[in-house]
Amino acid sequence: QKEVEQDPGPLSVPEGAIVSLNCTYSNSAFQYFMWYRQYSRKGPELLMYTYSSGNKEDGRFTAQVDKSSKYISLFIRDSQPSDSATYLCAMSYLSGSARQLTFGSGTQLTVLP
Amino acid sequence: DVKVTQSSRYLVKRTGEKVFLECVQDMDHENMFWYRQDPGLGLRLIYFSYDVKMKEKGDIPEGYSVSREKKERFSLILESASTNQTSMYLCASRPSGRSETQYFGPGTRLLVL
Repeated sequence: QKEVEQDPGPLSVPEGAIVSLNCTYSNSAFQYFMWYRQYSRKGPELLMYTYSSGNKEDGRFTAQVDKSSKYISLFIRDSQPSDSATYLCAMSYLSGSARQLTFGSGTQLTVLP
Repeated sequence: DVKVTQSSRYLVKRTGEKVFLECVQDMDHENMFWYRQDPGLGLRLIYFSYDVKMKEKGDIPEGYSVSREKKERFSLILESASTNQTSMYLCASRPSGRSETQYFGPGTRLLVL
């Protein structure tokens, strides 16, 4: 079983829809939770970052963490065609003296105009 | 703006060739990482470095080596390329301290024939 499971998609929604992207994890040592966005033929870029249970909002994006259920979500409101990308969840843990990230496999999202 | 550059966007090599992938970052970051990204598997850590001349194995180091002679440059070496090393290779950097954010380069898509 992978430490991080992510709904693979692909997901296709009409413009303006609310999108929900989800990851579950099994390692209680994960301390920080991130969402990266990766456009086609580009490297991932950090979208949201949180370390505590609850919600964090940034414009149309809301990151939700539930540590008791080991579940994180990213919600996109009023989705736009420019949101079409692959979304990767990532979780940070301490390995020896170094922090490392474990990534989900990514969800490919297409927002149709 | 943090900039992470990778020497090639696309590479085609033959089985058995020695392959060098170069990564340069311009933000004086201590930590640098090499990942490979494959469909359905997400990003997997190959090697990372937290200082010049220092290196640590990641989750899948077999068949790879790395070199970090200068702080800004981190090289990934495939000693004898094999077809199962066909993949997208992503380099990332991160400052020391409590920051969890990794900054990614655009990736190198390697095809081994």
